[in-house]
Amino acid sequence: GAVVSQHPSRVICKSGTSVKIECRSLDFQATTMFWYRQFPKKSLMLMATSNEGSKATYEQGVEKDKFLINHASLTLSTLTVTSAHPEDSSFYICSARPSQRGDEQYFGPGTRLTVT
Amino acid sequence: AQTVTQSQPEMSVQEAETVTLSCTYDTSESDYYLFWYKQPPSRQMILVIRQEAYKQQNATENRFSVNFQKAAKSFSLKISDSQLGDAAMYFCAYIDGDYKLSFGAGTTVTVRA
Repeated sequence: GAVVSQHPSRVICKSGTSVKIECRSLDFQATTMFWYRQFPKKSLMLMATSNEGSKATYEQGVEKDKFLINHASLTLSTLTVTSAHPEDSSFYICSARPSQRGDEQYFGPGTRLTVT
Repeated sequence: AQTVTQSQPEMSVQEAETVTLSCTYDTSESDYYLFWYKQPPSRQMILVIRQEAYKQQNATENRFSVNFQKAAKSFSLKISDSQLGDAAMYFCAYIDGDYKLSFGAGTTVTVRA
């Protein structure tokens, strides 16, 4: 149990375009999902908290208009990178917190974004 | 934001030996959770072990155990009988009241055959 999927696993897009990444909790409901960014051999940096049915809360320094987050259901959150630039190239990871148990999070396998 | 410090960027261990990864954290809370996550080359984050701060007993999961020193705000991970599959990056993490995880910088563990 407690499986989180991400789609796509890899994506290459051209500079100036937008790309959407999906995060799904497959066998549990998640009121809250989190989006992280990770550079090679570095730690995970929290970008934003996605709450079902309400606006996402962003960490300091994260551009809201660039990283659009939508949490439309208890099993799906999406991250859209708008007007992507090469510096947005990174590994993006989501995690989901089960609605019934708050202290654990389950991580998706990540999405590698390359902007050319 | 909470601060989690891992002072060992890399650790190397001989297969079947023991290695200890250090972690310190900073918090003013009295009740919280601490975690160790493993990130292998696949980059899938895997929960290794968790510790509830109000429990004095150190958590253990098979070959993985922690030394939790609440007063010192220290939370080290011991990997016993190291196996080749233990090679990965290990992250110490703290969860706050908003369920946000703060991660340390990570320690890369290499296992020598």
